Amino acid sequence: EVQLVESGGGLVQPGRSLKLSCAASGFTYSNYVMAWVRQAPTKGLEWVASISTGGGNTYYRDSVKGRFTISRDNAKNTLYLQIDSLRSEDTATYYCAKDIGYYSAWGQGVMVTVSS
Amino acid sequence: DIQMTQSPASLSASLGETVTIECRASEDIYSNLAWYQQKPGNSPQLLIYDANSLADGVPSRFSGSGSGTQYSLKINSLQSEDVASYFCQQYNNYRTFGGGTKLELK
Repeated sequence: EVQLVESGGGLVQPGRSLKLSCAASGFTYSNYVMAWVRQAPTKGLEWVASISTGGGNTYYRDSVKGRFTISRDNAKNTLYLQIDSLRSEDTATYYCAKDIGYYSAWGQGVMVTVSS
Repeated sequence: DIQMTQSPASLSASLGETVTIECRASEDIYSNLAWYQQKPGNSPQLLIYDANSLADGVPSRFSGSGSGTQYSLKINSLQSEDVASYFCQQYNNYRTFGGGTKLELK
């Protein structure tokens, strides 16, 4: 059974940093593109970033370029999202997802709240 | 960037009714379209991919259709467990979601 388990969220002050993790199991993690998708409270879904199988290629939505860094450790079957210079508009539930064009599996999500 | 316009934003229907949700892309996405269901407090779950292929374990009352820029999700014989939000997503040119449709019981 495919499992994606996010961790690392919390309440953070504006301008600070946070690193999210996503532990994957139940599939050959290193064979799949992985992504982070977020959802602000009561809002829709928004793709944030993706990373190629080997980690050499990364992609970001414009609003997070230069502040977010997606990475992966294929030996640990873990996906990461480093979030720097947090803004109030980054407040959301962050999901990691298995990306095969569409998102065939999602984690349960981790909440990030940016507030002073 | 490809824009996805989903309608309606909210929908109220009765048990047993047939419901249709539409999604329009700003350019041809060549059937590279998925639909997701998200129940309150849960993560999204894949329903349909490639515009009309049913994901594993999804009841056959769900179906997808469309081509080019126009796509739809149909739910036949609405059940109480179908109360949820529904999102479309294109993957022809990177990834974009529609704004969502909140489905409630009348």
